Amino acid sequence: QSALTQPPSASGSPGQSVTISCTGTRIDVDSDNYVSWYQQHPGKAPKLMIYEVSERPSGVPDRFSGSKSGNTASLTVSGLQAEDEAAYYCSSYSGSNNLGVFGGGTKLTVL
Amino acid sequence: QVQLVQSGTEVKKPGASVKVSCKASGYSFTSYDISWVRQAPGQGLEWVGWISAYNGNTNYEQKLQGRVTLTTDTSTSTAYMELRSLRSGDTAFYYCARLSNYRSFDYWGQGTLVTVSS
Repeated sequence: QSALTQPPSASGSPGQSVTISCTGTRIDVDSDNYVSWYQQHPGKAPKLMIYEVSERPSGVPDRFSGSKSGNTASLTVSGLQAEDEAAYYCSSYSGSNNLGVFGGGTKLTVL
Repeated sequence: QVQLVQSGTEVKKPGASVKVSCKASGYSFTSYDISWVRQAPGQGLEWVGWISAYNGNTNYEQKLQGRVTLTTDTSTSTAYMELRSLRSGDTAFYYCARLSNYRSFDYWGQGTLVTVSS
């Protein structure tokens, strides 16, 4: 069982916004803000979408945003597009034991 | 451009060992850590561990401690993951990924499928 909890599924219609949560003590206690989010399409390697809670790598659309409050991190996808349909994983890295953990993943469906 | 290219599919019997390679290009290899992540078919992502390409320091996920060894060859900019005493539960795609200064995986290899079957 993952130390980070994500809803197994989420959905929205094109143009709508969807928020995916990621909850766990690792987020609040010792993540040192090293929370990241990954998008994975079937048969492909994961892709970094958000790092350090809310930073976007170059090339990631600004429709993707991240935030954190207490022990919950969130990924929001605004203006949903068909190509956003994928699995999304959160990850937290602990500076105290120098190890990371993933959430169980959320399958996002664009209706 | 940064690229991580992994070795090909492996099929092993229970109890055997496997060694997967990950050749890096497009950046200074010793400036970043390399991490390994695995994903069983249809399942989520799981940390395996990481290695400093600068000094060889390692850290492993506790459940794999004792069976996994991460190494690097700086002369060829290649990272390796060896997993021993394979069992059916080790069947998975194994990915190498560059670990950024913000402790996120900013570049990924294409993945290597390791199948453990008698």
